[in-house]
Amino acid sequence: EAGVAQSPRYKIIEKRQSVAFWCNPISGHATLYWYQQILGQGPKLLIQFQNNGVVDDSQLPKDRFSAERLKGVDSTLKIQPAKLEDSAVYLCASSSLRNYEQYFGPGTRLTVT
Amino acid sequence: KQEVTQIPAALSVPEGENLVLNCSFTDSAIYNLQWFRQDPGKGLTSLLLIQSSQREQTSGRLNASLDKSSGRSTLYIAASQPGDSATYLCACTLQTGANNLFFGTGTRLTVIP
Repeated sequence: EAGVAQSPRYKIIEKRQSVAFWCNPISGHATLYWYQQILGQGPKLLIQFQNNGVVDDSQLPKDRFSAERLKGVDSTLKIQPAKLEDSAVYLCASSSLRNYEQYFGPGTRLTVT
Repeated sequence: KQEVTQIPAALSVPEGENLVLNCSFTDSAIYNLQWFRQDPGKGLTSLLLIQSSQREQTSGRLNASLDKSSGRSTLYIAASQPGDSATYLCACTLQTGANNLFFGTGTRLTVIP
């Protein structure tokens, strides 16, 4: 069974630029999560989807971050414009409705200069 | 809001020692608790998941226990090996609301050959 796929693995951008991350969850997993992990901290949820609907986006900075999961499978997370404090690893995870155990992708390391 | 704390922040042990990592959480109404391993620059690997109705889970040299009433979980690693060196994160979901994980800041383990 293929795991959660993410791309790109690394991205370096200047502040005020825009960036997009892509995630492909485990096949059949209805729930998809985006987490932000700042260096030295635990991951923090940004947004959670169930199929193509948003379950929780209370921690998403909506003035600059957006995310979509149009067909209930792949998802993209966008930052526009980026700030220095957005430098972090962005982790995507997915889970089934059967047991809720979350499986994580390798993450995208974003550096904003 | 769930607060998860992990002690110690860092731990160094000689190879072969048994060790215990601690995790505490403020809201005892959890749905489940997961222990993850994170290698430098990598995503999270799920080690053990304990449902709220369970007291412990075992996988190989790993044993995780859960005491909901006191808001504590421990991860016991037997006969540690240099390959166990990584950051260990605990995270839990709440019974109410979305199934998002609340993470601790992790314990960085170094096993010295």
